[in-house]
Amino acid sequence: QLQLQESGPGLVKPSETLSLTCTVSGASITSSSYYWGWIRQPPGKGLEWIGNIYYTGETSYNPSLDSRVTISEDTSKNQFSLQLHSVTAADTAVYYCARQALAYYYYYMDVWGTGTTVTVSS
Amino acid sequence: DIQMTQSPSSLSASVGDRVTITCRSNQTINNYVNWYQQKPGKAPKLLLYAASSLQSGVPSRFSGSGSGTDFSLTINSLQPEDLATYYCQHSYTTPYTFGQGTKLEIK
Repeated sequence: QLQLQESGPGLVKPSETLSLTCTVSGASITSSSYYWGWIRQPPGKGLEWIGNIYYTGETSYNPSLDSRVTISEDTSKNQFSLQLHSVTAADTAVYYCARQALAYYYYYMDVWGTGTTVTVSS
Repeated sequence: DIQMTQSPSSLSASVGDRVTITCRSNQTINNYVNWYQQKPGKAPKLLLYAASSLQSGVPSRFSGSGSGTDFSLTINSLQPEDLATYYCQHSYTTPYTFGQGTKLEIK
């Protein structure tokens, strides 16, 4: 059964780098049928798509975060990671990793991790 | 970026009711719309993709329609477990933006 699990520090200081890892079990991140993505949700607010990565290493980022975000993969560990640089309190959120399926020309996030809460505070 | 606007922001309905949530994009996006259900404290769950295709395992009381700029999610015969916030999302081009959410309460 496919599972995704986020991990990383729950507390990050302002101006530092937020680093999270998503460990995938039950499927390979090198499959050509899927992208692997990050989404976040500030407390009490809606969902924001951060970006994704394909098995080729191709990435796509939300322009609102583009200059600060890096998504990478470690195929040997079946993991992909998120780095968000120069964080502020506005980056406090629950961060989700998800599998983004591609069927014909349709993309949709069909499997999600449980989410991890990251607080930015000194 | 493509903006997705949902309405209403919240609604209250009774068990057995038929509920419809709408989503409008600010440019035409064919049928590149997904719908997600998020229960309190949980991760979102995919309900429908390509506007009207039901994800495997999702009850058939959920249905979707629309094309172009106007889309809807309908829940037939509302159940107590449908208490949740519902989000639309487009997948026409990156960034894949979400609507602001519709919080559904059960009377």
